[in-house]
Amino acid sequence: DAGITQSPRHKVTETGTPVTLRCHQTENHRYMYWYRQDPGHGLRLIHYSYGVKDTDKGEVSDGYSVSRSKTEDFLLTLESATSSQTSVYFCAISPVLTASTDTQYFGPGTRLTVL
Amino acid sequence: DQQVKQNSPSLSVQEGRISILNCDYTNSMFDYFLWYKKYPAEGPTFLISISSIKDKNEDGRFTVFLNKSAKHLSLHIVPSQPGDSAVYFCAASAIGNEKLTFGTGTRLTIIP
Repeated sequence: DAGITQSPRHKVTETGTPVTLRCHQTENHRYMYWYRQDPGHGLRLIHYSYGVKDTDKGEVSDGYSVSRSKTEDFLLTLESATSSQTSVYFCAISPVLTASTDTQYFGPGTRLTVL
Repeated sequence: DQQVKQNSPSLSVQEGRISILNCDYTNSMFDYFLWYKKYPAEGPTFLISISSIKDKNEDGRFTVFLNKSAKHLSLHIVPSQPGDSAVYFCAASAIGNEKLTFGTGTRLTIIP
């Protein structure tokens, strides 16, 4: 199993509060991704990183920011959480850029509830 | 706009029989397709993939078929086992695009 951990695994917060989710890897992979999973939508890409301090937006990036100051850590921040951000969040890592490989590994997920 | 569609949210199959999960796509630029399997409280794990230059890829009990003209792929599991009960996601990527587009998932239940 790829060494990916996510913290916290569960979080309940209130609307308007800031929230930071952490993804930590021990594989030294260059590429890291944040997805959210919602019923009826599958997994959707929020942001991704192609190196330290290099990040880009995915298809559902509004309301989210990311930071990557070290290879092993990729942080996802909800500046002011809303109920629409209640979801399960998955981090993924990959050693290569192209998605045309079988090498994107997912973490165990963080279940976030915004009341 | 859902570019990758899995129209069956759920499927129940008797143990030992064949499970067929379907996926349709709309983007003709997609050239690589993957299936992921997800158990509750875990992240998705890669199952099998197929390139657009092929129409079939087999790995043990799992076979993926690709029909490019119909923009359709399917995952066959035979024989189905109780451990196959999970949510299955179809995903696709386009040439030169490092991002995966996922379908909505199909929950497969294998009945003992």
